[in-house]
Amino acid sequence: EAGVAQSPRYKIIEKRQSVAFWCNPISGHATLYWYQQILGQGPKLLIQFQNNGVVDDSQLPKDRFSAERLKGVDSTLKIQPAKLEDSAVYLCASSLEPRNIQYFGAGTRLSVL
Amino acid sequence: GNSVTQMEGPVTLSEEAFLTINCTYTATGYPSLFWYVQYPGEGLQLLLKATKADDKGSNKGFEATYRKETTSFHLEKGSVQVSDSAVYFCALTHGSSNTGKLIFGQGTTLQVKP
Repeated sequence: EAGVAQSPRYKIIEKRQSVAFWCNPISGHATLYWYQQILGQGPKLLIQFQNNGVVDDSQLPKDRFSAERLKGVDSTLKIQPAKLEDSAVYLCASSLEPRNIQYFGAGTRLSVL
Repeated sequence: GNSVTQMEGPVTLSEEAFLTINCTYTATGYPSLFWYVQYPGEGLQLLLKATKADDKGSNKGFEATYRKETTSFHLEKGSVQVSDSAVYFCALTHGSSNTGKLIFGQGTTLQVKP
C-alpha cells in the first residue's frame, strides 16, 4: 500500500516569496491534516480536512497561509508571502476517519532566507 | 489547554541499556495517548497507543502505560539497539470532542551507541 506522498522534499526561498506544497494521501483516506514542525518542537496542526471540507483551521495564519482539497483527495498548502519564521518542516498526514490512526508523509523542509 | 511535556534530550545510551523517556500531559476529559517515532529522513510513525486509563501500549519491545493518577505515559524499553536511534514524540488527542487532532510534545532524541 502506498503511503502519504509529499513534494517537494526541500524548498529554499527568500522572504516575501510564495511557495506551495503538495500532498497525496493514502487512497480512501477521508481525513487529511497539515502540520508545521519547527526545529526542536513537536508538530503543530495547521488545518484538518474531512473530504473537501475544513474541520479545523484555528491555528492557520490565514493572512498568509491557505490550503485546499478541492476533490477530497490531493491537497495543497500555500504560503504567500513567506516570513523567516515560516522555516519549518511541513507534514501531511491522513487517516480513514478523524479518530483513526494518522499516517504521515516524509514532509517538506522549507528554508526561508 | 491541552498540552504534552517530554523530558529534554538528547538521551545517549549504550546498546542493551534500559530506556525511559518521560511524558506527562494536561488535558480535559479522557484523551487517547500515543508515542510516535521519527527515524532520520523519514516521516512520523505510530509506535504505540493507549486509549484509556491503565491501558498498556506495546510494540517492538517498547511499552507505555496510561497513568491517569499521575497524568503520565512514560516510554520504556528493556534493551535498546542502535537501530532505535530516532526522535520520539509523545502525543494526545482530545477526549470529548475528538476530531483526531494530535497535540505533540517537543520530542526527545535518542542516540544509542554500539
